[in-house]
Amino acid sequence: GQNIDQPTEMTATEGAIVQINCTYQTSGFNGLFWYQQHAGEAPTFLSYNVLDGLEEKGRFSSFLSRSKGYSYLLLKELQMKDSASYLCAVKNYGQNFVFGPGTRLSVLP
Amino acid sequence: DTAVSQTPKYLVTQMGNDKSIKCEQNLGHDTMYWYKQDSKKFLKIMFSYNNKELIINETVPNRFSPKSPDKAHLNLHINSLELGDSAVYFCASSQVAGADTQYFGPGTRLTVL
Repeated sequence: GQNIDQPTEMTATEGAIVQINCTYQTSGFNGLFWYQQHAGEAPTFLSYNVLDGLEEKGRFSSFLSRSKGYSYLLLKELQMKDSASYLCAVKNYGQNFVFGPGTRLSVLP
Repeated sequence: DTAVSQTPKYLVTQMGNDKSIKCEQNLGHDTMYWYKQDSKKFLKIMFSYNNKELIINETVPNRFSPKSPDKAHLNLHINSLELGDSAVYFCASSQVAGADTQYFGPGTRLTVL
């Protein structure tokens, strides 16, 4: 089976940096995704990692270590609009997607 | 010019009723999905269709029946609704099966009374 774990909630201050961790256990790993979901809205794609290392996209970066079953999403220069849930999702070779429980991030002024 | 659209946005109904949710994508994608997000915000895949063919069918009660009349549409019909079916249902699409990015519709909030 597959298991994905993320912290339930995090709080950070505007302008700061926050790291949201995701650990997973799966067979046939074929990629890890991060999605952002504002309250009452649909998830939107943030990043995709299939090889080890860091992928940077503006203020957001995502890191993957396949040997450790570990990923993190790094958000820099936090803004109030970054308050949202961040969902980690793993894809396996059966093309199935499994989403983690999500981390609710609150950015305070 | 909405990419993935769903109707209705809200659906309130009584237990035992039958209801449908419609989904359409105008992105030209080959693959469409249905997800259920419960009150604890867990997003779980229910079905996936590629070019109108079912490719993923997770453990979902057979009261749920997806129908894909063409690759731009994937509708979800639910028979004999139960209280536990209350959730937000998201439709999504991707260019091909297992592609990097899935585009989600706005969601349908189903409340069963």
